[in-house]
Amino acid sequence: DTEVTQTPKHLVMGMTNKKSLKCEQHMGHRAMYWYKQKAKKPPELMFVYSYEKLSINESVPSRFSPECPNSSLLNLHLHALQPEDSALYLCASSQETGVAGWNEQFFGPGTRLTVL
Amino acid sequence: RKEVEQDPGPFNVPEGATVAFNCTYSNSASQSFFWYRQDCRKEPKLLMSVYSSGNEDGRFTAQLNRASQYISLLIRDSKLSDSATYLCVVNGDDKIIFGKGTRLHILP
Repeated sequence: DTEVTQTPKHLVMGMTNKKSLKCEQHMGHRAMYWYKQKAKKPPELMFVYSYEKLSINESVPSRFSPECPNSSLLNLHLHALQPEDSALYLCASSQETGVAGWNEQFFGPGTRLTVL
Repeated sequence: RKEVEQDPGPFNVPEGATVAFNCTYSNSASQSFFWYRQDCRKEPKLLMSVYSSGNEDGRFTAQLNRASQYISLLIRDSKLSDSATYLCVVNGDDKIIFGKGTRLHILP
C-alpha cells in the first residue's frame, strides 16, 4: 500500500468555523508533513512530524494546529481562518527525515479549502 | 541568489522530441535532490530521486552537478502524457525547498 489518503477532498468554511483535515498512511513511514499550495505556486512546508513529535513548524499562524495521534495519522485543526488561507492543503509522508538527507516524500491528493 | 531556481517555461515541445530542464540551488551543503511532476489540480508525484552518479528510469535521466550546484532532468521521446509541471526539490540543514516548477507542454 503506497497511498496517502486525505479527507475531506473539498472543504468550505466560514471564518468563525472550526474544522479538521485528516491524513492517513499505512506505509510504516515515520515522518509526516503538512504543506499549503496556492494556485500556480510550489508547495510551502508548514509542519513536519518525526516519530510522532513535531520537529519543524515553519512559523505557521496559531490558527493552524497540527496533531499526530499515532504513526499513521496526521490532523490539521483549523480555527478562525482568513480568506487568504484558501488553498490546497497537502499531506505527505516519508520513511523518516533522516540525518543523511531527506527521504522521498509521497503526497496525498490534498484537501481543497475555501474560506469565506 | 534564490535558494532553488527553475526556468518557469512553458516549454512547448513536439511529441517525440527530447527536452531537458535544469534546477540550480544555492546551498552547497544540500544533501538530497528530487524531481516531482505535478498535473493541474493534482498532488505532486515523485518522479525520480537524483543520485550523485546520475540515474536513469526509462525515458528519464537525472543528473547532479555538485560543483556547479544544479540538477537536471532529461526526457527522451516525449509523450503527450509528459505534459505537466516539473518541480525540483532540494533539502538539507532541516529545510525542504521546492522550486517554482517548470511547465512542459508536449504538442501533438
